[in-house]
Amino acid sequence: QQQVKQSPQSLIVQKGGISIINCAYENTAFDYFPWYQQFPGKGPALLIAIRPDVSEKKEGRFTISFNKSAKQFSLHIMDSQPGDSATYFCAASRLDNAGKSTFGDGTTLTVKP
Amino acid sequence: KAGVTQTPRYLIKTRGQQVTLSCSPISGHRSVSWYQQTPGQGLQFLFEYFSETQRNKGNFPGRFSGRQFSNSRSEMNVSTLELGDSALYLCASSLGRDRITYEQYFGPGTRLTVT
Repeated sequence: QQQVKQSPQSLIVQKGGISIINCAYENTAFDYFPWYQQFPGKGPALLIAIRPDVSEKKEGRFTISFNKSAKQFSLHIMDSQPGDSATYFCAASRLDNAGKSTFGDGTTLTVKP
Repeated sequence: KAGVTQTPRYLIKTRGQQVTLSCSPISGHRSVSWYQQTPGQGLQFLFEYFSETQRNKGNFPGRFSGRQFSNSRSEMNVSTLELGDSALYLCASSLGRDRITYEQYFGPGTRLTVT
């Protein structure tokens, strides 16, 4: 019940296109869902996060969509740029225990110029 | 504000040895979590410390241990190293105010290679 399933494993998008990464979770006790971006040789960096009391959160070109009934959430990157090429991880945790996060397996995004 | 720092950045050890990794959280952050990242298993939670107490523990053998000091700095120790312990070890800190931790900020990691 601790799994977070992420798809696709890899994604290639043209510059200016929309990148979409999906995650599904099992544990209904999870109430905090962050996304991280990781470049080679670096640690993951928090990109955007959502709590289940809202269905969507937008920060610049990045949007999280959340479907509580389906236990799914997704990251949309609008106007994708070559600099967005990185590995993206979704995660889930309880908000009162966010120090113990369960991560998806990651999606390697390549944005072609 | 300085970010999360981890030392050393790279480490090569021999099977059977032990190793200690260090993490300095962002100033003011009281929660420190440790994760193991490998190509095959992804990011796996090791343990979390808050105010010098282990608050959570993942599914790792007892060879993996940690501690946190009064200044919130944390160390993790792996004894009797195995080849499978080769990984990037990541430390993340968060505010941990009122026992509620929000955003986690990761360090660059320590790349451990066991030969």
